Amino acid sequence: EPEVTQTPSHQVTQMGQEVILRCVPISNHLYFYWYRQILGQKVEFLVSFYNNEISEKSEIFDDQFSVERPDGSNFTLKIRSTKLEDSAMYFCASRGQGQDLQGYTFGSGTRLTVV
Amino acid sequence: AQSVAQPEDQVNVAEGNPLTVKCTYSVSGNPYLFWYVQYPNRGLQFLLKYITGDNLVKGSYGFEAEFNKSQTSFHLKKPSALVSDSALYFCAVRGMDSSYKLIFGSGTRLLVRP
Repeated sequence: EPEVTQTPSHQVTQMGQEVILRCVPISNHLYFYWYRQILGQKVEFLVSFYNNEISEKSEIFDDQFSVERPDGSNFTLKIRSTKLEDSAMYFCASRGQGQDLQGYTFGSGTRLTVV
Repeated sequence: AQSVAQPEDQVNVAEGNPLTVKCTYSVSGNPYLFWYVQYPNRGLQFLLKYITGDNLVKGSYGFEAEFNKSQTSFHLKKPSALVSDSALYFCAVRGMDSSYKLIFGSGTRLLVRP
């Protein structure tokens, strides 16, 4: 069964440093998402991406965050200057369209720890 | 605005007993509803979804959910709980805006005691 792959599984970074979280969505999917989950809490929407542009972003997704699909396969989330409160699990998800409109697949997540 | 509520932070049940994890939703139009499970230090695993059709949806690991339009509920059920079902369960609804993002509930921790 196709999978969404996220790397790294765990990243530790110092406050103020830039981090890039990587995701490889399912190859024929067209809609991509990033979500965040602070330890054991609610899964929060960050941003959606379609047709090489952001289609929606939440209040959490401020100027410190950016997304890119640089090469047609990877989908990245960049945090420019990390804060302690950015420590969380970050999930990437993708979905298709048409008959597969309802099918969302999540990656296994990247646990980001900011120290 | 679309939203999902999971009124219970935690559900405790004895192994072998039936379990129910509650979820109510608020959407305009027909809802697309989902249940996901998260085991410790793991990602979100899809359990089941309701798009249309039968109100009783069967999913993975013996779970099922009942869609009730009049009560705007989508409760997750299993006839006989296992200790290995202990995990964090999330109900989600698909948003109606152009991004069709999933909107998650706050999660319910299920503890199944031996």
